[in-house]
Amino acid sequence: EAGVAQSPRYKIIEKRQSVAFWCNPISGHATLYWYQQILGQGPKLLIQFQNNGVVDDSQLPKDRFSAERLKGVDSTLKIQPAKLEDSAVYLCASSLISNEQFFGPGTRLTVL
Amino acid sequence: DAKTTQPTSMDCAEGRAANLPCNHSTISGNEYVYWYRQIHSQGPQYIIHGLKNNETNEMASLIITEDRKSSTLILPHATLRDTAVYYCIVRVQYNFNKFYFGSGTKLNVKP
Repeated sequence: EAGVAQSPRYKIIEKRQSVAFWCNPISGHATLYWYQQILGQGPKLLIQFQNNGVVDDSQLPKDRFSAERLKGVDSTLKIQPAKLEDSAVYLCASSLISNEQFFGPGTRLTVL
Repeated sequence: DAKTTQPTSMDCAEGRAANLPCNHSTISGNEYVYWYRQIHSQGPQYIIHGLKNNETNEMASLIITEDRKSSTLILPHATLRDTAVYYCIVRVQYNFNKFYFGSGTKLNVKP
């Protein structure tokens, strides 16, 4: 069974630039999550989708972050414009319903 | 906000059992205890979960106290590859409640 795929694996940008991350969940998984993990901390949930609808985005900084999940499969997370404090690993996870989550390898973002 | 308390770090000798504690004194009756681990530069990996009975799978055992205020994850024969950050999480199953990861316990398995 293929796992959760994410790209790119690494990204370096200047502050105020834009960046987008892509996630392809495990086939058949209705729930998709985006997490932000700052160095030395546990992952923090940014947004949770059930199919293509948003279940929870209370922790998403909506002035600069946006996410979509078209057709209830792949998802993209965008940051525009990026700040220095956005440097982190962005993890995508998926699950059947809302139970055990399977995580992708993450995208490491560095904002200079 | 994380509803669990874990030690920051622990050491374990290779081949010995690793016992990782977790306090969750405010756990509700319908909340499960989940354990995940994160090996360096990888995404978190599910290990095990339980409600009130002890659970065992091919990776680990989960011991939950009778009052459910604490639990212990046991890796019976730790190897160097078990070096990771271990997260204890409580949440309602089959619910859209968040996973709060906290800071976890860094387990260092030493030869």
